[in-house]
Amino acid sequence: AQSVAQPEDQVNVAEGNPLTVKCTYSVSGNPYLFWYVQYPNRGLQFLLKYITGDNLVKGSYGFEAEFNKSQTSFHLKKPSALVSDSALYFCAVRPDYGQNFVFGPGTRLSVLP
Amino acid sequence: EPEVTQTPSHQVTQMGQEVILRCVPISNHLYFYWYRQILGQKVEFLVSFYNNEISEKSEIFDDQFSVERPDGSNFTLKIRSTKLEDSAMYFCASSETGAGTDTQYFGPGTRLTVL
Repeated sequence: AQSVAQPEDQVNVAEGNPLTVKCTYSVSGNPYLFWYVQYPNRGLQFLLKYITGDNLVKGSYGFEAEFNKSQTSFHLKKPSALVSDSALYFCAVRPDYGQNFVFGPGTRLSVLP
Repeated sequence: EPEVTQTPSHQVTQMGQEVILRCVPISNHLYFYWYRQILGQKVEFLVSFYNNEISEKSEIFDDQFSVERPDGSNFTLKIRSTKLEDSAMYFCASSETGAGTDTQYFGPGTRLTVL
């Protein structure tokens, strides 16, 4: 069965510190990997995706993610967190043979001033 | 920047009633999707739609559900005879193509509450 895990329900980080939100997946083939962010009362906003090539992908708002095939991971990172980054973050995986996403359960990021 | 819109933002209905959730995808997109998120749970795929046909659907998308593109702009999800367990946030999404590499853009969601 295909699955996406985000092992931390909640991540707390101080403003200005680096942040990492973890994601691991179990999907057959060569999946495509995405990160979305959800602010309160808003839809899912696209942050970045990995399709192929360089394992480090840069996205919106200073976020980046590192793809690690051997560990089947796609961790989201940011060098210096902002209070405005506080939101719910979803990792999503799309099998290379299908159209629909498999979403992780989400990680709530709180950046403390 | 173009975005996906959804109406209403919140729908309250009685068990057994029919509801229609509406979405306006991004105008040049050809693929449309519905997802749902039960409170506290993960986002789940329901259905994808292309060229006026369902192209893929999940086990959740049973005969109770139907989708339609009634005109050139709207994309609707109909839930017949709603059940308590249909209470969830329903997200519409669209993409330019159906390729796995393509980004899906999500609307703000409709919160459905079934009483």
